[in-house]
Amino acid sequence: QKEVEQNSGPLSVPEGAIASLNCTYSDRVSQSFFWYRQYSGKSPELIMSIYSNGDKEDGRFTAQLNKASQYVSLLIRDSQPSDSATYLCAVNTGGFKTIFGAGTRLFVKA
Amino acid sequence: EAGVAQSPRYKIIEKRQSVAFWCNPISGHATLYWYQQILGQGPKLLIQFQNNGVVDDSQLPKDRFSAERLKGVDSTLKIQPAKLEDSAVYLCASSGYGTGDSYEQYFGPGTRLTVT
Repeated sequence: QKEVEQNSGPLSVPEGAIASLNCTYSDRVSQSFFWYRQYSGKSPELIMSIYSNGDKEDGRFTAQLNKASQYVSLLIRDSQPSDSATYLCAVNTGGFKTIFGAGTRLFVKA
Repeated sequence: EAGVAQSPRYKIIEKRQSVAFWCNPISGHATLYWYQQILGQGPKLLIQFQNNGVVDDSQLPKDRFSAERLKGVDSTLKIQPAKLEDSAVYLCASSGYGTGDSYEQYFGPGTRLTVT
């Protein structure tokens, strides 16, 4: 069983719509959760961190965490073509161990 | 603040040759990570250092891969001998020490390795 799971996509949304990216994890003791954006041919870039249940907003991005359901999501409001990238979910399972999902490809159509 | 530096950016070698990658983390970051990323997959941790000690190398193919972190700062990753399946992007990342946001990782530009 994979420890961090994401739908590989591609997820296609029209410009201006809300993109919803989901991630589930298996280790219940996980405490820190991260979303990275990776453009094609580039390295991952940290865009959001979340540590407590609930929502965390930063500009057009909202991260949502539900530890009881072992679920973390990323919402991108007013999606732009420049948001087209692969979004990686990463989960710190305690100590120094962080596991990355395989990523979800997002395509925003102009 | 300078980011994570890596070199070279690209490398093409023949199978059975050796190759080395270099990484300089963000100043003050105690934790350094080497990842292998194959096209279409998420980063796979190869080795993780805390200062100059190894925290996790469980997925490092130790018969051909080696890594060291000199004086708790710079690090090198070596492959000897290389195989075709080693073709990938090798990413270096660093993070602070402690809890919460200290686990936020910052990545270098990566080295794209092609083994022919």
